Amino acid sequence: NAGVTQTPKFQVLKTGQSMTLQCAQDMNHEYMSWYRQDPGMGLRLIHYSVGAGITDQGEVPNGYNVSRSTTEDFPLRLLSAAPSQTSVYFCASSYSTSRWAEYNSPLHFGNGTRLTVT
Amino acid sequence: QKEVEQDPGPLSVPEGAIVSLNCTYSNSAFQYFMWYRQYSRKGPELLMYTYSSGNKEDGRFTAQVDKSSKYISLFIRDSQPSDSATYLCAMTGRTGGYQKVTFGTGTKLQVIP
Repeated sequence: NAGVTQTPKFQVLKTGQSMTLQCAQDMNHEYMSWYRQDPGMGLRLIHYSVGAGITDQGEVPNGYNVSRSTTEDFPLRLLSAAPSQTSVYFCASSYSTSRWAEYNSPLHFGNGTRLTVT
Repeated sequence: QKEVEQDPGPLSVPEGAIVSLNCTYSNSAFQYFMWYRQYSRKGPELLMYTYSSGNKEDGRFTAQVDKSSKYISLFIRDSQPSDSATYLCAMTGRTGGYQKVTFGTGTKLQVIP
């Protein structure tokens, strides 16, 4: 089982460039999400999706777009990169957000994309 | 003030020691409490989760919740070098799904052989 796969592992962008961080899961999970992890800030939710065609904003959505056309994929787009977006980005998925405790369904994280914006 | 506070460490202990990792929180609505382990350059993975107050044990790991003090702990017995990682606490309320989980900043643990 591949689990949650993120590509690329590393990326360097110049200010103003755009890019897409890819995330795919093969566990048929309804819930998918994107976090950024910064020193002293912990994991902060950027966007999330509770199913194909449904997305919503998290705590820090500005500067990021998402879409969910299939159950498996949840790409994160940076339209115009800024140095403040330098971070480690994690994609995570779960069986069901509404019944996660009942089904003991933890968040499964990918191994992250390390992004530097200069 | 952050909703969840966690000492970043680093915490260095000798192999075999008992480790205590802690988080405090301010939101009294939190009812589900989780501990994640994150190895260097990897994503977090769930270690344990508990509901409400009390203790939960799984092998060498014990999670403890004291809702009256708004304080949660993770104890690791007979610590091993393979336990060296960053440990994140996380919590959410009864009606919250994963989109409402609040994470601590993590405590870095090093177990020295």
